Amino acid sequence: RKEVEQDPGPFNVPEGATVAFNCTYSNSASQSFFWYRQDCRKEPKLLMSVYSSGNEDGRFTAQLNRASQYISLLIRDSKLSDSATYLCVVKSHNTNAGKSTFGDGTTLTVKP
Amino acid sequence: GAGVSQSPRYKVAKRGQDVALRCDPISGHVSLFWYQQALGQGPEFLTYFQNEAQLDKSGLPSDRFFAERPEGSVSTLKIQRTQQEDSAVYLCASSTRDRGLELFFGEGSRLTVL
Repeated sequence: RKEVEQDPGPFNVPEGATVAFNCTYSNSASQSFFWYRQDCRKEPKLLMSVYSSGNEDGRFTAQLNRASQYISLLIRDSKLSDSATYLCVVKSHNTNAGKSTFGDGTTLTVKP
Repeated sequence: GAGVSQSPRYKVAKRGQDVALRCDPISGHVSLFWYQQALGQGPEFLTYFQNEAQLDKSGLPSDRFFAERPEGSVSTLKIQRTQQEDSAVYLCASSTRDRGLELFFGEGSRLTVL
C-alpha cells in the first residue's frame, strides 16, 4: 500500500462545475500537507498548503482531517485552465528538511 | 532565468550505458531533492541533500544510482549500467526555509533506455 493514496480519476467535468478530490495518508507522524498541480509533461508546482483549520485560495478550498488521515481539495466554478493532474503531498517535517511524499495524482479535465 | 535548471532535457541511452543528469538549483537554496517519475505515477523520492551533505538516500533503487553535490550547489545524479526500468523523468527540486516548505522543481530530464 502506498503511503499517499489518491483516486486517479480521470474526472471529466463541464466548465462551472464543482469537483472534489480526496487523499489519504498512512504515516500518522506526517506534519505538513500540500496540493501540487502538474500540467501534462511539465514539472509539479505548488497549488496550496493545507492547514488543520482548512484554508481557501480563491476558488480552491483545502481541508485536513488528522484523525482520519484524510486531505481534500475542492475546486469551485471549474475553468478550462484547471485541467491538470493534482498531486497530494505529505511531509513528516514542518521544516524544509526531509523528503516530501507524493501521491500518484488525480487527473482533471474540464470541458467546454 | 532564476529557476531550477536541469540538463540534459532528454537522454536516450542503450541498456548498459552510464548516464549523468545535472541539476542547478535556485541560488541560495540549501535543500536539494531528486525524484523519479514514471509515466502515470507521482514523483518518487530518491535522495536529499542539505548543502553538500546527503542526508537521505533511502529512495535510491539500487547501488547503480549515485548522487553528489560536492560544493553544496550543483548536483549530479549518476546511473550506471542503465536498465529499461530506469526509463523515467528525473526531477530535481530545491527549497529554502525562507519560502516555507515549497519545492521548486526543474523541468526534468527524460531518460529513455533502449
